[in-house]
Amino acid sequence: QVQLVESGGGVVQPGRSLRLSCVVAGFTFSNHGMHWVRQAPGKGLEWVAFIWYDGSNKYYADSVKGRFTISRDNSKNTVYLQMDSLRAEDTAMYYCARDDIPYCSSISCYVGRWWGQGTLVTVSS
Amino acid sequence: AIQMTQSPSSLSASVGDRVTITCRASQGISNDLGWYQQKPGKAPKLLIYAASSLQSGVPSRFSGSGSGTDFTLTISSLQPEDFATYYCLQDYTYPYTFGQGTKLEVK
Repeated sequence: QVQLVESGGGVVQPGRSLRLSCVVAGFTFSNHGMHWVRQAPGKGLEWVAFIWYDGSNKYYADSVKGRFTISRDNSKNTVYLQMDSLRAEDTAMYYCARDDIPYCSSISCYVGRWWGQGTLVTVSS
Repeated sequence: AIQMTQSPSSLSASVGDRVTITCRASQGISNDLGWYQQKPGKAPKLLIYAASSLQSGVPSRFSGSGSGTDFTLTISSLQPEDFATYYCLQDYTYPYTFGQGTKLEVK
């Protein structure tokens, strides 16, 4: 069955870096774009980033642009989120999620039904 | 970025009630809107995509409507498992943006 498993979260000091990974199974990874969505403790959801199925296009929230980089390795069924220059306000549960439309290359590659369980990132000195 | 404004922020209702949650976009987004349900400690769950299309496996008591700037999520007859927080998400343009959420509580 479809599975998405995030890892790489932890406690990190402000200004430092962290790389999250999301390994998927149960579907053809190279056919689908992947999103990252986060949720600060007790707060609402915030969309973070999206990468096309082939990695050719990437999009970011304004709050992370220039600091975070989304990438993927289709040979490893893995999507990454490289987070640099971390701030206290980046503290959140980070979820990876799959788009629902194979080979989606439009703007509307909506976040679909498959999500991981999340990995917690805490930025604190 | 497009702002999504949900109302109400919280709502108290009883089992069997009909409930409506609204989402307003700061500019037209066609029908590029989804609705998600989230329960404490869990990942969100997609209920509705393209404003009115019911995700496979989601009970038919959930429905969505709207286009342009104004959208609604309706639960026709609340069930105990429906008490949760609901979010809208526009996928019309990047960056995608969520509404602030509506917490549906037991009256």
